[in-house]
Amino acid sequence: RKEVEQDPGPFNVPEGATVAFNCTYSNSASQSFFWYRQDCRKEPKLLMSVYSSGNEDGRFTAQLNRASQYISLLIRDSKLSDSATYLCVVPSRSNDYKLSFGAGTTVTVRA
Amino acid sequence: EPEVTQTPSHQVTQMGQEVILRCVPISNHLYFYWYRQILGQKVEFLVSFYNNEISEKSEIFDDQFSVERPDGSNFTLKIRSTKLEDSAMYFCAGPFSRRGHTDTQYFGPGTRLTVL
Repeated sequence: RKEVEQDPGPFNVPEGATVAFNCTYSNSASQSFFWYRQDCRKEPKLLMSVYSSGNEDGRFTAQLNRASQYISLLIRDSKLSDSATYLCVVPSRSNDYKLSFGAGTTVTVRA
Repeated sequence: EPEVTQTPSHQVTQMGQEVILRCVPISNHLYFYWYRQILGQKVEFLVSFYNNEISEKSEIFDDQFSVERPDGSNFTLKIRSTKLEDSAMYFCAGPFSRRGHTDTQYFGPGTRLTVL
């Protein structure tokens, strides 16, 4: 099983829609999880950290299911500016917090 | 204002040449990481640096790669003899933000390396 797997999409949604996608991870000992956002040819930027069952920040909600080892990200009321690749990131099986990245889920919000 | 700067933003080099990529965090942290991303692929871990020593390295980080902290603030990634497949974006990362946990990493803007 890959360390981090994501639904690649692409998700093509109209403005105002809700979009959600999942990420599965293999390290059952992981205590922290992250969603990063990456625009084309730019650096990953931290969107949300998840340390317990979930986290909500404005229109973005992340939920963690430890039993099934997946994390989801939900975007409500999508904006054009939400168009990006969303990276699921999990600290790897080591003690120095190196990060394992999913391949990313591409979201395109259309007018 | 960015929390970390990387130079150069774009480097073009000939195969077999040496390149040095630089990263300057604004705050002094013990942990530091280099990642790379080949165009169209996922971000991959290269090496972690803790307290001025390599803590862990990936299979990608072979003898052609080295990391240093030459003056206590800058971090460098050196590729001794570049290959075509080294063409990628190279990101430095670390818990640079004072508000962040140790396991929360913030990425520099990256250096795009093109090997011809």
